[in-house]
Amino acid sequence: RKEVEQDPGPFNVPEGATVAFNCTYSNSASQSFFWYRQDCRKEPKLLMSVYSSGNEDGRFTAQLNRASQYISLLIRDSKLSDSATYLCVVIAYNTDKLIFGTGTRLQVFP
Amino acid sequence: GAGVSQSPSNKVTEKGKDVELRCDPISGHTALYWYRQSLGQGLEFLIYFQGNSAPDKSGLPSDRFSAERTGGSVSTLTIQRTQQEDSAVYLCASRTRGTYTEAFFGQGTRLTVV
Repeated sequence: RKEVEQDPGPFNVPEGATVAFNCTYSNSASQSFFWYRQDCRKEPKLLMSVYSSGNEDGRFTAQLNRASQYISLLIRDSKLSDSATYLCVVIAYNTDKLIFGTGTRLQVFP
Repeated sequence: GAGVSQSPSNKVTEKGKDVELRCDPISGHTALYWYRQSLGQGLEFLIYFQGNSAPDKSGLPSDRFSAERTGGSVSTLTIQRTQQEDSAVYLCASRTRGTYTEAFFGQGTRLTVV
């Protein structure tokens, strides 16, 4: 079983839609969680960190469920510019090793 | 520069040759990571350096792959006797120590083995 698993998609949604992605992790000792965004043929960039209490940044909301070992990303009012691959990232406790999921591809259409 | 710098940006090599990929992290970043990304795939962890600690080499796919980090700064990833399956984008990232510090990526080296 992979340490970090994501549905590869693609998720095809119209502009204005709300879309949610989940990511599961296998190591219960995982400590820190992030969502990164990767555009086609570009390097990944941080979208947001995922805090225990959940956090929101504009149209984006991230949640952590430690009991079920998953994190989620909710995107409201999707824009064409949100089309990208969203990568879930986990850091195990007491290490700095970043483990990436395979990513979920989102395509927003007009 | 202010960001992570990788060189070369593109490398075409013949099967069986050795290649060296370079990563220049952000100054002061103690952690440095190498990943490999094949077309349409996710990021495959290769190796990570943290300060003066022994590197975590658990992701290196074979003994043809090695990496070093000199003086806690620049890192070189070496692939010996390259094979066609080594063709991929090799990404380097660096970050400071901390629970929620951001990892910054270079633009990658696109390696093509012909």
